[in-house]
Formats: sequence, C-alpha cells, structure tokens
Amino acid sequence: DQQVKQNSPSLSVQEGRISILNCDYTNSMFDYFLWYKKYPAEGPTFLISISSIKDKNEDGRFTVFLNKSAKHLSLHIVPSQPGDSAVYFCAANAGGTSYGKLTFGQGTILTVHP
Amino acid sequence: DAGITQSPRHKVTETGTPVTLRCHQTENHRYMYWYRQDPGHGLRLIHYSYGVKDTDKGEVSDGYSVSRSKTEDFLLTLESATSSQTSVYFCAISWREGTDTQYFGPGTRLTVL
Repeated sequence: DQQVKQNSPSLSVQEGRISILNCDYTNSMFDYFLWYKKYPAEGPTFLISISSIKDKNEDGRFTVFLNKSAKHLSLHIVPSQPGDSAVYFCAANAGGTSYGKLTFGQGTILTVHP
Repeated sequence: DAGITQSPRHKVTETGTPVTLRCHQTENHRYMYWYRQDPGHGLRLIHYSYGVKDTDKGEVSDGYSVSRSKTEDFLLTLESATSSQTSVYFCAISWREGTDTQYFGPGTRLTVL
C-alpha cells in the first residue's frame, strides 16, 4: 500500500524552463512534507519542506505547493538548470508520536537539457 | 554536511553470512533511522531509534536487527543475509521528532550473492 506516490518516473526539461514534480498521498494524518534531491552514489539531500498549515513555501528557485483537499503536493523549479538533474523524492511525516518516521515516494528522475 | 558517516561504503557478501552496517554521527542528534533504497520503491524505513537503547521497527524490518549503545552509533545487522537484501542502505539523523528535517549519510551498497 503506497501511501506516497510519484506517478511520473521521469521528467525531461529544457534549461531555463520550469520543472514541475508531482506527489500524491493517501494518509490524511500526514502533516509535514519534504522534498529531497539525490545524485548517484550520494545520500539524499534536503531541499525544501512544508507544513500542512501552509499551502506554499519558497526557497530561491524552489517552491513547494500543498493542496490538502486533493492530497497533492508539487515542487516547482524555476529556472531549471543542468545541475538540477537528479532523482527527486517527496516524503511525508505524520507528526504526533510518529518519531519523525518518513514515508517516501518512488522518486522522479529529472533531466535538464542545456 | 550533516556529520554522518557510514561504513563500509560497499560490501559484497554471500547468502547466509551475517553483516553489520555502521552509522556514525557527530551531531549528537537523538533520532536515527535506517532506510533501504530499491528501484520502484523509493526509500523504505527499516528500523529507527529515539534514544540510546530505544529502538523500534519500521516498514520493512523482517531479517534486520539494530542496536544503539551510544548516541553517536546506530548499527544495522543482517543476521543471515539473503539476496533480497541486496540494496543501498542509508542512515539518517534528526534533532527532533515530528516536523524536523532528516539528514542522510552517503549510503552503503550491499550485494548479497
């Protein structure tokens, strides 16, 4: 039972354009969401997060949008750069007594072409 | 750089042998986690720890055990490795539970022949 889903295994974008990565979740107890970026042979690195009390969070070129009614979040990267090419994972946390356990999506491979 | 190291970084072993992976942190974070990454599954939680000697199971804990005798070290043991445990293993740490960011180590690639 996949509680966090990234339905697009891959995304290809031209440099300078917008990249939009999507994530859906089913567990209504999730109240904190994160995006991680992963390069080959490295551990995931934290990008940006959002609490369920917000619907948008920005950090430089990265913006995360949360639609709680649709149980959907998205990561926008503007403008996209070749160095953004990596695997992107969304993750969710149920807060409370979850001890910070994260549930991850399957990942989306982003390729940004020069 | 979150001050997390994992050892070994690569290991090849045979079915039925015991294997221990080590995660070491220099951040004095209370919470530590072990995940495995497999194609099509993202990262899945194996075990986690919320303090010294305090551990619990995650989503895919069968065949794995953990120990945490010091704040800085979290060990993952495969008592009798199987080919299905071939994977990349990541350790993560966080300061608080709940709405806190987890920081990941560089990973250990384990191959069970």
